[in-house]
Amino acid sequence: GAVVSQHPSWVICKSGTSVKIECRSLDFQATTMFWYRQFPKQSLMLMATSNEGSKATYEQGVEKDKFLINHASLTLSTLTVTSAHPEDSSFYICSATTQWGSRTEAFFGQGTRLTVV
Amino acid sequence: SQELEQSPQSLIVQEGKNLTINCTSSKTLYGLYWYKQKYGEGLIFLMMLQKGGEEKSHEKITAKLDEKKQQSSLHITASQPSHAGIYLCGASSGNTGKLIFGQGTTLQVKP
Repeated sequence: GAVVSQHPSWVICKSGTSVKIECRSLDFQATTMFWYRQFPKQSLMLMATSNEGSKATYEQGVEKDKFLINHASLTLSTLTVTSAHPEDSSFYICSATTQWGSRTEAFFGQGTRLTVV
Repeated sequence: SQELEQSPQSLIVQEGKNLTINCTSSKTLYGLYWYKQKYGEGLIFLMMLQKGGEEKSHEKITAKLDEKKQQSSLHITASQPSHAGIYLCGASSGNTGKLIFGQGTTLQVKP
C-alpha cells in the first residue's frame, strides 16, 4: 500500500516559537493532502485541505495565519504552527490522497505529537 | 454539514466475546471507512465500504453498510487483547479523500 511519512513524530517547543511538521507521500504523488488535529480522547478534526501549487483551504474556525500550510510539491506538504501556545498542544495527522482505480484513497501519516511548554 | 455518530463511546469486553460498534451518518454516505488507532499513534486502515448492503471481512472483523448508506457496523468475533484500541469511522461525502470522523469507540479487551 501507499506510504505517508510524517516528521517529526513528536516535538516539544517553547511558547512563542514556531514548529514545522512535514508530510510526505513516499511512493506516490498526492495532489491533495489533508491536515487533521486530534485532542486527547477526542476524534480527528479536519483543519485544512492542502492542494499542490495553490493556497490551502481552511475549515471554519481554523486560523490560517497561525497554521501555515505549504504544498510545494506533489509529495510534500508542511504545516507550520506559528507562535505556538500551550493550547496548540495536540496530535496532528496528515493524509495524502491518490487515485485507486475510480476511487480516491486517503492514506494517513503516523502523526506528530506537539507539546508546547 | 455531515455528522457521524459512533456508539458506544467505550466498550470493555472479556476476551473471546463478540462485539459490535455502530456508526450513523446524518447524510447518505459516498464512502465509509473504518480505522483503528492506538492512543497517540497514526490510523490503521481496516476497511472501506461504498455500496449499499456491502459487507467486508478481514480476519475476525466484519464491516457492513446498510442499504440506505447511512449506517455501518463493525463486528469483531472472538475478541482478543490485540483488538484493543480506538475504532474510528470516517466518511467522505464525495470522491475527494476528505474525511470527517466519528468521535471514536475505545475498546478494551480483558484477558
